[in-house]
Amino acid sequence: GAVVSQHPSWVICKSGTSVKIECRSLDFQATTMFWYRQFPKQSLMLMATSNEGSKATYEQGVEKDKFLINHASLTLSTLTVTSAHPEDSSFYICSAPWGRVRYEQFFGPGTRLTVL
Amino acid sequence: GENVEQHPSTLSVQEGDSAVIKCTYSDSASNYFPWYKQELGKRPQLIIDIRSNVGEKKDQRIAVTLNKTAKHFSLHITETQPEDSAVYFCAASTGRGGKLIFGQGTELSVKP
Repeated sequence: GAVVSQHPSWVICKSGTSVKIECRSLDFQATTMFWYRQFPKQSLMLMATSNEGSKATYEQGVEKDKFLINHASLTLSTLTVTSAHPEDSSFYICSAPWGRVRYEQFFGPGTRLTVL
Repeated sequence: GENVEQHPSTLSVQEGDSAVIKCTYSDSASNYFPWYKQELGKRPQLIIDIRSNVGEKKDQRIAVTLNKTAKHFSLHITETQPEDSAVYFCAASTGRGGKLIFGQGTELSVKP
């Protein structure tokens, strides 16, 4: 159990377009999900906390108007990169804890975004 | 804000030797410390974790130690094998379901 999926696994887009990435918990409900960004040879940097039924909480330095997060249901969170630019090219990974029962978090497989 | 420092950034060992990676954290409220192995282009894979009420945990060739007073925790891999080569990340969080703050990562290379 505790599987998290992401879609798409990779996407290439033109500069100025918007891209939506989906994160789903397949066999459990997740009232909270986390979004990370990872540049090549760097660590996972927390971007925001996605909360079902309320606004996302963004980390310092992350533009909320550029990275739109919507936690539409107990199993789905979406990250939309608006007006993407080449510097937004990165590996985006989501994670979800199993509620407040377990400490462990479950990661999605990641989405490779390339902006031309 | 919360911060996790990880050292070294790269580590090269001979097959069969031990490898040690160290992390320190800043938030004294942190109480969960997982370690992840990540291969290129893949999701992080949990290899071992420890909670603040325990000082040491071992799982076969892998062990983690925690010193809450010093806000320091370490990963120990014994009898390293070439397949242990990967990037390892430590992380810290303040409880069940809390956000994870990651260290900078250690690229481990095990030479046959």
